[in-house]
Amino acid sequence: GESVGLHLPTLSVQEGDNSIINCAYSNSASDYFIWYKQESGKGPQFIIDIRSNMDKRQGQRVTVLLNKTVKHLSLQIAATQPGDSAVYFCADGSNTGNQFYFGTGTSLTVIP
Amino acid sequence: DAGITQSPRHKVTETGTPVTLRCHQTENHRYMYWYRQDPGHGLRLIHYSYGVKDTDKGEVSDGYSVSRSKTEDFLLTLESATSSQTSVYFCAISTQRGDTQYFGPGTRLTVL
Repeated sequence: GESVGLHLPTLSVQEGDNSIINCAYSNSASDYFIWYKQESGKGPQFIIDIRSNMDKRQGQRVTVLLNKTVKHLSLQIAATQPGDSAVYFCADGSNTGNQFYFGTGTSLTVIP
Repeated sequence: DAGITQSPRHKVTETGTPVTLRCHQTENHRYMYWYRQDPGHGLRLIHYSYGVKDTDKGEVSDGYSVSRSKTEDFLLTLESATSSQTSVYFCAISTQRGDTQYFGPGTRLTVL
């Protein structure tokens, strides 16, 4: 089946620093990508998405970059805060497919 | 959690017993999904629905059945629970295929 992987299983950053979480995908047909945040004991929460006709999209303190050439996307969190501590995972899908494929996630810990 | 509730939130049951999990949405979204989340795996799709009485299998559907008699409710049934079905189950919804999926809070199921 399809696989969506994350390069690092854990990431620790100092409060106030920027965080970068990476993700690789394998399906060339994927044209829609989502980043989710999951806090302990809760359901995944939508953060930001990007479609394949874009290479960058910005939200509030978050930016997603997409490199279709190498099938890689990243999530950048500016001025990381303790409340950002969670597991982050990416998902990829397409309008022609019936499901998204999810990575196992990167656990982000923010050190006060 | 985008108007999605799941019940029960926690359940402990014994091997061989039937179990039904319920997902209820107030968003009137057409698509509904059931996933399971296990350590070392990304979210894996069990079944999904694309309308009332319209359902299809996901990648890990063996041992599970679903029903959708109303737009707002999507039921997941484990016909005869096994220990391998111990997991956290998430329901998700989306407006259309390939669109952003929003998740419920999850149900933690333990099969003894």
